[in-house]
Amino acid sequence: KAGVTQTPRYLIKTRGQQVTLSCSPISGHRSVSWYQQTPGQGLQFLFEYFSETQRNKGNFPGRFSGRQFSNSRSEMNVSTLELGDSALYLCASSSLVGYEQYFGPGTRLTVT
Amino acid sequence: AQTVTQSQPEMSVQEAETVTLSCTYDTSENNYYLFWYKQPPSRQMILVIRQEAYKQQNATENRFSVNFQKAAKSFSLKISDSQLGDTAMYFCARQGGSEKLVFGKGTKLTVNP
Repeated sequence: KAGVTQTPRYLIKTRGQQVTLSCSPISGHRSVSWYQQTPGQGLQFLFEYFSETQRNKGNFPGRFSGRQFSNSRSEMNVSTLELGDSALYLCASSSLVGYEQYFGPGTRLTVT
Repeated sequence: AQTVTQSQPEMSVQEAETVTLSCTYDTSENNYYLFWYKQPPSRQMILVIRQEAYKQQNATENRFSVNFQKAAKSFSLKISDSQLGDTAMYFCARQGGSEKLVFGKGTKLTVNP
């Protein structure tokens, strides 16, 4: 089976812009989670989707949003980008909520 | 907040030797899962090993094994016959029921030739 794919792999944006990141889970996986990884804060949970419904949400401002489509693909959006949003954004999929998660290669976002 | 603590920010080991990475966690759940993930310099997060809390037997995957002490809420990872390719950040993580996956801060492991 193909692994989790994330696009794009690298992004450079300017403060105030918005960005959309995409994640395609492993075939058959219906749960998709998003994480932000920074050197200072480590791995922080953003949100989790299962069957197009948000199941869990981390402590991030409303500028961070996401959605899941009927084919389980997921997108996350960050509006009004800030310098502190520069991070590696990781997507992970699992067959069910609570099962082991498999990660994609991440999207490296740089905000200038 | 329910946390996962990795008390060793950095460790090093000689090739072919054995190393143990520590992890403790906090949870009020009775049923939960514990994981060790590896993140090499490529940044790809890779699942190393998984342990169900209701299972007393420690999980093993080739050179990787865990010492799961449920009462002490301890979940250490032992890497035997360390290889240069084991050099990576190692993250301990816990997930209970429908809860989110909670990660520790990580341990940077360097395997020296």
